[in-house]
This record gives sequence, C-alpha cells and structure tokens, in this order.
Amino acid sequence: QTVVTQEPSFSVSPGGTVTLTCGLSSGSVSTSYSPSWYQQTPGQAPRALIYSTNTRSSGVPDRFSGSILGNKAALTITGAQADDESDYYCVLYMGGGANWVFGGGTKLTVL
Amino acid sequence: EVQLVESGGGLVKPGGSLRLSCAASGFTFSTYSMNWVRQAPGKGLEWVSSISSSSSYIYYADSVKGRFTISRDNAKSSLYLQMNSLRAEDTAVYYCARGVGWPYYFDYWGQGTLVTVSS
Repeated sequence: QTVVTQEPSFSVSPGGTVTLTCGLSSGSVSTSYSPSWYQQTPGQAPRALIYSTNTRSSGVPDRFSGSILGNKAALTITGAQADDESDYYCVLYMGGGANWVFGGGTKLTVL
Repeated sequence: EVQLVESGGGLVKPGGSLRLSCAASGFTFSTYSMNWVRQAPGKGLEWVSSISSSSSYIYYADSVKGRFTISRDNAKSSLYLQMNSLRAEDTAVYYCARGVGWPYYFDYWGQGTLVTVSS
C-alpha cells in the first residue's frame, strides 16, 4: 500500500521561508494526484490552504503557495508568522476506488 | 456563512453501532459533494467516505468498507454516517467536510464529533 510521506516536524524563524513536502513511498507525485494542503491548530478543525497543486483556497494569504518540486508536492510559506505554528497535512487523490490518502502531517514550529 | 455541525458521537462498545449526522447551512447543500474525515486521538487525518451531490457516487476507505454507510438528505441539508461493527481503532473525532471540484478537495470543515469505542 502506498504511503504519503511528510516531514514529521520542521522549524522556521519568524519572517523566514519554509518548504514542506509531500511524497510517495513509491513513485513520484505529479499534478494528476491533485495535491491539497490543510492547516490544523490543536483542538481546531482543519482549514483548507491549497488545492489542485497550487490554487489557494478562499481567504488564504499569498504567503502560502503550492507547487511540485522534483518528485514531491510542496507547500511554501514565506514571511512566517507566529500563528503559522500548526500541523500541516497534504492529501493526494490516488484514483482507482476514489481514494484520498493523507500524509502523516508536519508539525511546524515558528521560533 | 458556511456552517457544518456534526452530532451523534459518543461512547459505544466494540461491535456496536452509531449514526453520525452533519447539519449544513449557508450554502446550497444539494450542489456539493460531502465527505467524512476522521482523526484518532493524537494522530493524523484519515479520509473515511465521500458522497456526490445526488448520491450517485459513493466511496469508502478500505478500513471502513462494509461496515460504514454514508448517506445524505438534500431536503434536510444533512449528511449521515451509519457506523456498524465498530472497533477500537474507529475511535476518533469525525469531521464532515464539503467537497469541491473533482477530485474533491475539502474546503469547509465542521468542528467534529468524538466517537469512542471501548468496553
């Protein structure tokens, strides 16, 4: 079974830039997987950030951007702020039986 | 304002059943797909099930196939998840989420309802 991989944790300095990635245990991520990204703070529901690889969800600041970098999907946060400290999840559409698979999430620390 | 409010969670014994509901408001419910995503305590998100706007297409994760049934009532702007043969590993917060486009992406989420399966 294919696993969606994310860095377990990452840290960034306030004002800095960080790129989180979303890969596959076997194979490369492409736009056909329609990667999307979600932000979740403790005790809260997830919030949609990016869909279809690089389209920002409504109300999401342009500090957040999505792309394909090499063989992975990527979420880049520029000008990191304290309230960006959250868990970030990617999800890939695996096709076939219409199967969406989430990555394990990346815990981002801003310090 | 889009609102999704889940209900129906609680404590249930292994092998038992539970029916979750999600009440939607602030948008034309009948024109959107709807989804259930769960999160076990301290763990990541897991997609559970999806249903198209007219219920024509229904999808399940392998982990719940044959045990869970998703349904909707467009007249009541409500989404449901009937969960049977519950196991300890089904313990999680269950979120309903609105789906947009194809493949669906989940643009709005409810606050979730906790299901605990324990004897």
